[in-house]
Amino acid sequence: QKEVEQDPGPLSVPEGAIVSLNCTYSNSAFQYFMWYRQYSRKGPELLMYTYSSGNKEDGRFTAQVDKSSKYISLFIRDSQPSDSATYLCAMTFSGNTPLVFGKGTRLSVIA
Amino acid sequence: EAGVAQSPRYKIIEKRQSVAFWCNPISGHATLYWYQQILGQGPKLLIQFQNNGVVDDSQLPKDRFSAERLKGVDSTLKIQPAKLEDSAVYLCAGQGGATDTQYFGPGTRLTVL
Repeated sequence: QKEVEQDPGPLSVPEGAIVSLNCTYSNSAFQYFMWYRQYSRKGPELLMYTYSSGNKEDGRFTAQVDKSSKYISLFIRDSQPSDSATYLCAMTFSGNTPLVFGKGTRLSVIA
Repeated sequence: EAGVAQSPRYKIIEKRQSVAFWCNPISGHATLYWYQQILGQGPKLLIQFQNNGVVDDSQLPKDRFSAERLKGVDSTLKIQPAKLEDSAVYLCAGQGGATDTQYFGPGTRLTVL
């Protein structure tokens, strides 16, 4: 069993749709959870950063962490063609430790 | 604020050749990571530095990979000799403190023929 599981997609949605992206993990010691967006031929860019369980909202993006189920989600409301990218979930044990990534989900938002 | 700089952006070499990548993190970022991202996969840690010291190199293939951060600022990652399976994007990330997040550079895309 991999430490972090993420469906690679691809996922294709029409403009304006709500997008749900998910990851599961096996190590209950993870405390910090992140979502990164990666455009083609670019480095990962941080979207959301959450400590422990709970929800966090930033504009059109909402991140949820359920540590009891070892499950994290990212919701994108009113999706735009500019949201087309690969979304990587990542997690780590403490503030200064390496990130463990999922495979990434490739998202296409069609105008 | 300038971002994380990496060079070269692209490199094509033949197997058994050597190659070096350079990274300059954001000023003041004491922690530096090198990750390897194979096509279709998430990044995987190769090595972590804190200032000029190695914190974690457990996943670095030390028979062919080496890295240094002599003055605790910029860093170099070297592969010698390269294998076909080393074809990947090599990402550098910096982190300012324990409560900070990791900021990634654009990566170096290596193709080994």
